[in-house]
Amino acid sequence: GAVVSQHPSWVICKSGTSVKIECRSLDFQATTMFWYRQFPKQSLMLMATSNEGSKATYEQGVEKDKFLINHASLTLSTLTVTSAHPEDSSFYICSASGDSGRADTQYFGPGTRLTVL
Amino acid sequence: GQNIDQPTEMTATEGAIVQINCTYQTSGFNGLFWYQQHAGEAPTFLSYNVLDGLEEKGRFSSFLSRSKGYSYLLLKELQMKDSASYLCAVGTDSWGKLQFGAGTQVVVTP
Repeated sequence: GAVVSQHPSWVICKSGTSVKIECRSLDFQATTMFWYRQFPKQSLMLMATSNEGSKATYEQGVEKDKFLINHASLTLSTLTVTSAHPEDSSFYICSASGDSGRADTQYFGPGTRLTVL
Repeated sequence: GQNIDQPTEMTATEGAIVQINCTYQTSGFNGLFWYQQHAGEAPTFLSYNVLDGLEEKGRFSSFLSRSKGYSYLLLKELQMKDSASYLCAVGTDSWGKLQFGAGTQVVVTP
């Protein structure tokens, strides 16, 4: 089946620094990628939808200047958490779809655990 | 607004059957999905219902009633490895956007 990777799998950083998370589709071209955040014992919350070559669409309440998303190619999307603070500590998961974003063909990455000290 | 409800936790013994219910009220509907998520890992796809009725896939079955805004996931012949969180998710548009429920933690005991 289709494989989506994320890098890094975990990261610890100091408050105020920026962290970049990569999401790659390894064996298919992802026209649409989604970024989710999951706090402990809570649901996955969709942060933004990213289409290759266009600006990301952010969900209500998600600060686009704080969570920068770039989807420059059909196999790579990046999420940059700028000026991270402890409350940004979370599990960040991407998913990718190559079939016009159809949810039944979405593949999830393994997630990135961010801890901000 | 969007509302997806499922129980927080369920416990069952090995070999038994467990049914996880999910009710939803969303602004759009493009299918009902069930995912399994082990702690610290990403969700893995289990099932997809877009029409009313029962979909069976091995030990797992999923049911949908669109008029009632209701779905359930049935896990049969429970195994210890089935201990995980089960997430109900609704596709809310034609581009793959998913709204997730909070998840049901299933604990399988010997």
